[in-house]
Amino acid sequence: SQQGEEDPQALSIQEGENATMNCSYKTSINNLQWYRQNSGRGLVHLILIRSNEREKHSGRLRVTLDTSKKSSSLLITASRAADTASYFCATAPWGGTSYGKLTFGQGTILTVHP
Amino acid sequence: GAGVSQSPSNKVTEKGKDVELRCDPISGHTALYWYRQSLGQGLEFLIYFQGNSAPDKSGLPSDRFSAERTGGSVSTLTIQRTQQEDSAVYLCASSPSRIYQPQHFGDGTRLSIL
Repeated sequence: SQQGEEDPQALSIQEGENATMNCSYKTSINNLQWYRQNSGRGLVHLILIRSNEREKHSGRLRVTLDTSKKSSSLLITASRAADTASYFCATAPWGGTSYGKLTFGQGTILTVHP
Repeated sequence: GAGVSQSPSNKVTEKGKDVELRCDPISGHTALYWYRQSLGQGLEFLIYFQGNSAPDKSGLPSDRFSAERTGGSVSTLTIQRTQQEDSAVYLCASSPSRIYQPQHFGDGTRLSIL
């Protein structure tokens, strides 16, 4: 079952604009990860934020995590046509035998127009 | 180094046949995961291996699905008596031994059941 709800389902912007995607989840987590998927390809890991972190940066990516609201956002600044892809959030549970099991959101389809 | 390799990339088979999907993880990665991606269900966890053991196989949808891993490396996902609802992209991922690490995905096997 899907833990995460992503919003929006689709986002269309012009090159150079910023793109913001949101993710909500339901259960307690150890960390939240964002992945990108280009059409017909596997997922590529973008960034991991732990439950005790509030914000993380990687290049043009900024991720925030609010555990009280069980939500996260991914901001891509100065977008490029090459950023066109589907973006998924995924949550990892605490401990037990399932710590490796990621639960994915439904994804946001981002289209960046040149 | 080489990434996660999955074969075949595409598989078309008739309903009722058995299929085997193969995953070669990144060398040295002890954790291996299988996921399924379909339009209706999104990305779903199937099974997780640590070494050759499967601590969590909670996502396998029925007893027609099984998986094994040998030598702490290659894994095979087997679907017996395939049904049309098994049509999906089957993704494999691996990660290093330390827990809560990003997962590295292969490009998947697209399975179509006629």
